[in-house]
Amino acid sequence: AQKVTQAQTEISVVEKEDVTLDCVYETRDTTYYLFWYKQPPSGELVFLIRRNSFDEQNEISGRYSWNFQKSTSSFNFTITASQVVDSAVYFCALSYMEYGNKLVFGAGTILRVKS
Amino acid sequence: DAGVTQSPTHLIKTRGQQVTLRCSPKSGHDTVSWYQQALGQGPQFIFQYYEEEERQRGNFPDRFSGHQFPNYSSELNVNALLLGDSALYLCASSVISEQYFGPGTRLTVT
Repeated sequence: AQKVTQAQTEISVVEKEDVTLDCVYETRDTTYYLFWYKQPPSGELVFLIRRNSFDEQNEISGRYSWNFQKSTSSFNFTITASQVVDSAVYFCALSYMEYGNKLVFGAGTILRVKS
Repeated sequence: DAGVTQSPTHLIKTRGQQVTLRCSPKSGHDTVSWYQQALGQGPQFIFQYYEEEERQRGNFPDRFSGHQFPNYSSELNVNALLLGDSALYLCASSVISEQYFGPGTRLTVT
């Protein structure tokens, strides 16, 4: 069975601080895909990144970066120089197909960025 | 280009009643998935529709049923509502792509 654990329930930081959101996953599949979604107060899940199990290269997109470590089954997300607009709930998710398949989500981490 | 739309936005029902939620996928998308998100939890997969057929199903009872129409829009039906069915119901659409989510329908069962 697939499982995603986000141990941090809530994180509060002051604007411009760096923050890392942790994600640990479990799966028996050799091919799988990991995702991060952002859920602002409006409720709509916003796709941030997709990573497949064969690509452990870290990725950076602006202030966002992701660290995928297969050895520890982790896929952590770092926001550099956080901003108030980053305040949201962030979900890590797992799927055995790249597109269109059911996603298994973690419980989410609430990020509060204070000015 | 309109994204995924859902109706209604909010809904209040009484235990034992039945409810229908609606979803219009993003233009060109032929696959629709439904998720239930209880307060403080991550979304849980209910089922997925493709070519008007249920293709995958999560661990939800038969009280949860769905339908997909020829225009790819979809409905989620829940019968004999329980207090525990109170949640945000999210619809996601895709076509060989990452899933795009709608804003959800907030269902409150009293």
